[in-house]
Amino acid sequence: GAVVSQHPSRVICKSGTSVKIECRSLDFQATTMFWYRQFPKKSLMLMATSNEGSKATYEQGVEKDKFLINHASLTLSTLTVTSAHPEDSSFYICSAPGTVGVSNQPQHFGDGTRLSIL
Amino acid sequence: SQQGEEDPQALSIQEGENATMNCSYKTSINNLQWYRQNSGRGLVHLILIRSNEREKHSGRLRVTLDTSKKSSSLLITASRAADTASYFCATARPNRDDKIIFGKGTRLHILP
Repeated sequence: GAVVSQHPSRVICKSGTSVKIECRSLDFQATTMFWYRQFPKKSLMLMATSNEGSKATYEQGVEKDKFLINHASLTLSTLTVTSAHPEDSSFYICSAPGTVGVSNQPQHFGDGTRLSIL
Repeated sequence: SQQGEEDPQALSIQEGENATMNCSYKTSINNLQWYRQNSGRGLVHLILIRSNEREKHSGRLRVTLDTSKKSSSLLITASRAADTASYFCATARPNRDDKIIFGKGTRLHILP
């Protein structure tokens, strides 16, 4: 089945550091990927839609200069948290729909990245 | 913004019992999906029910959809310890993008 690999699984770093998170579709192509943020015992909040070859679409209230998204190939999207601060500490998860060109379908999720900013 | 509201927020039942979780949503949908999340992990897709379907089964899972009430339910029969997880409903809007919006989730705990 379709597999999405997310790396790293955990990051602990000092305030002010920029952190890059990778999301790869391993056995399928993904022209679209989604980035979510999840607080403890809470739901997933959609941050942005990553579009291969074009700019990401950000949800209302999400700072695009803070959360940089690059989708340079059909199998890789990256989320960079720039100059991270303790309030950016959270669980970040990516997902991708399984079949290009088919809308409204199940998503395949990465295992998430737990980011802790000291 | 969130679309769905799961009910209850938390549920503890004995192993072997059935677990029922409900989801209500606000806008028109193309389909509704249920996902499971084990603690600290990503989400796993369980089942998708389209807006023109009323009931769907997959193994021990049974999902119903009532579009007139804008609600769905997930029933897990003969629960097992491994079913302990958070369960989320997610709705897809009736347009061409793949964006889905998640509900708040139900934390299910199966007691041995």
